[in-house]
Amino acid sequence: ETVLTQSPGTLSLSPGERATLSCRASQSVSSTYLAWYQQKPGQAPRLLIYGASSRATGIPDRFSGSVSGTDFTLTISRLEPEDFAVYYCQQYGTSPLFTFGPGTKVDIK
Amino acid sequence: EVQLVQSGAEVKKPGESLKISCKGSGYTFTTSWIGWVRQMPGKGLEWMAIIYPRDSDIRYSPSFQGQVTISADKSISTAYLQWSSLKASDTAIYYCVRHTAHYFDYWGQGTLVTVSS
Repeated sequence: ETVLTQSPGTLSLSPGERATLSCRASQSVSSTYLAWYQQKPGQAPRLLIYGASSRATGIPDRFSGSVSGTDFTLTISRLEPEDFAVYYCQQYGTSPLFTFGPGTKVDIK
Repeated sequence: EVQLVQSGAEVKKPGESLKISCKGSGYTFTTSWIGWVRQMPGKGLEWMAIIYPRDSDIRYSPSFQGQVTISADKSISTAYLQWSSLKASDTAIYYCVRHTAHYFDYWGQGTLVTVSS
């Protein structure tokens, strides 16, 4: 089973700052198989990034994804008030087919 | 517009059975995988199971195999998740998800299941 580790657990930043979230896989994961989701309190998660770097429909371009080996990164270039939320990475594998990371909470400093 | 509309919140006692539903619209229900993700109180996301409505091909997470049953009625574009005997540890929000390629592109609004004596 591929385990995803997200860091940091919590990121305290101010609006306008840059946020860099990490997701590390315990074994090789194709970039095709890595996605990011945003979840705000009381809401369902929504897809942000798929294929490690492709933005989902309607996602602003301040959100970007990248990969280096087994390290995946979600970057929010300039935080807007609505971006303070929890972010999860997710990978598609074998058994189980899908696993999520534990999440990174981005909160207001 | 793709929509996944889930059934309402449930309060049950341990040992009771339950079936929650998710109705898909705005896309061809039979040719997209649909599944369920659990979120326990204050915790992260856990994938449970998916089904391909056209032929009822099913995949379960090993963690949930034998604990729940996923099904779908393609005639009414609805997927289901059921328990035969609930436990307090089943208390959670359950999200219906559409699976496209290797990710979940649409999510239902969530169904809160509370199991308490």
